[in-house]
Formats: sequence, C-alpha cells, structure tokens
Amino acid sequence: GAVVSQHPSRVICKSGTSVKIECRSLDFQATTMFWYRQFPKKSLMLMATSNEGSKATYEQGVEKDKFLINHASLTLSTLTVTSAHPEDSSFYICSARFPGGNYGYTFGSGTRLTVV
Amino acid sequence: KNQVEQSPQSLIILEGKNCTLQCNYTVSPFSNLRWYKQDTGRGPVSLTIMTFSENTKSNGRYTATLDADTKQSSLHITASQLSDSASYICVAEGAGSYQLTFGKGTKLSVIP
Repeated sequence: GAVVSQHPSRVICKSGTSVKIECRSLDFQATTMFWYRQFPKKSLMLMATSNEGSKATYEQGVEKDKFLINHASLTLSTLTVTSAHPEDSSFYICSARFPGGNYGYTFGSGTRLTVV
Repeated sequence: KNQVEQSPQSLIILEGKNCTLQCNYTVSPFSNLRWYKQDTGRGPVSLTIMTFSENTKSNGRYTATLDADTKQSSLHITASQLSDSASYICVAEGAGSYQLTFGKGTKLSVIP
C-alpha cells in the first residue's frame, strides 16, 4: 500500500522548452506532496510543498515561476520546469505523507531530467 | 540549524559480511528517525522508522538503533547481499513540522 507513481522516469528536452513531471498517489489520498531535487552524491533537497487546492509553498531560493507546481486533486501533483536550461538537469523526486499520522512518507521513483 | 551527518561516505564490503552505518542528527524538536535505501536512479524506499521512544527496529536483515539522548542512530546490515549495494539515507523529522532533514547518504558497495 501507499504507492506513489512518478512519470516520466527519464526525459530529455531542448533548452527553452517546458517539461511536466507527474506524481500520483495510487491507493491513498495525498493532501500534501513534496518535491525534491537531488544532485549527484548529494542529499535530497526540498524544493516545495504541494497542498491540494492551494498554492505550493516554495523553499528559499527556489524560483516559483520556473518550477510550477499544481496539486489540483487529492491524487495528483505536477511539477513543470519552464524554459528549461542545462543547469536544470537533475534528478527530481516527489513524495507524499500517509494520511492518519502514522509517520509514513512514500517516494516516487524519480525523474531524470536532461536539458540539452 | 537542523542537520544530519552520516558516516562513512562510502563503504565496500564482501558479500556475506555485516556492516554498520552511522548517523548523527541535530534536529530539534525531534519526532522520528528514518532509514531509506536508494538504488541508483530510483527514489528512496523506507527501511525503518523509529520514534524518539524506540531504541531499535528491525526489517529483515536491517536493524536500526536510536539513542535520542546522544542523537545518534545506526543501521546494521547482516549477511550482506549484492542487492544491498545502494545509498542508505538517514532522515530526521522534526516534531510538528513535517520537515524532513536528509543526510547525504552512505554509498554501500557489496562485492562478490
């Protein structure tokens, strides 16, 4: 149980284009989802917290106009990287907290974004 | 500032051997301590979760310990297998904040 599905797993795009990454909770409702970025040999860095039906909360230093987050339903959050540049190339991971306060967080399988 | 430090950064062991990974944290107020396994190019997968009142938690060949007084945790892997090769990430959650603080991970390589 408590599975989060993330798509696509890999994407290559040209500079200046936009890329959308989807994160779906398959067997539970996720009012809150989290988006992380991970550089090689580094820990996960929280980019933003996505709340269903309201605006996302971005961490300091994360450009909200570049990384658009939409959480329109209880099972889907999307991250759109707009006008992508090579420095946006990274590994992006979403996560959701289990409902009911049993301390569980489940992570998606990640998306490897390469901007060429 | 909340921090999680892990050691060693990397470790190579022979298949069948045991190993112990270390984690020190300074998250306060503290809620719980988690260990995750992350295969290359994949998302983290939960191994154990311990609240501040728990001292040990096992999941198969993985056993985690927690000393909330000294703010230290360890992950012991018994009878390692080649499939254990991965990064192991220690994560501390702050009380009431849902804020997770991640360590940089220990990269474990199990060789035949």
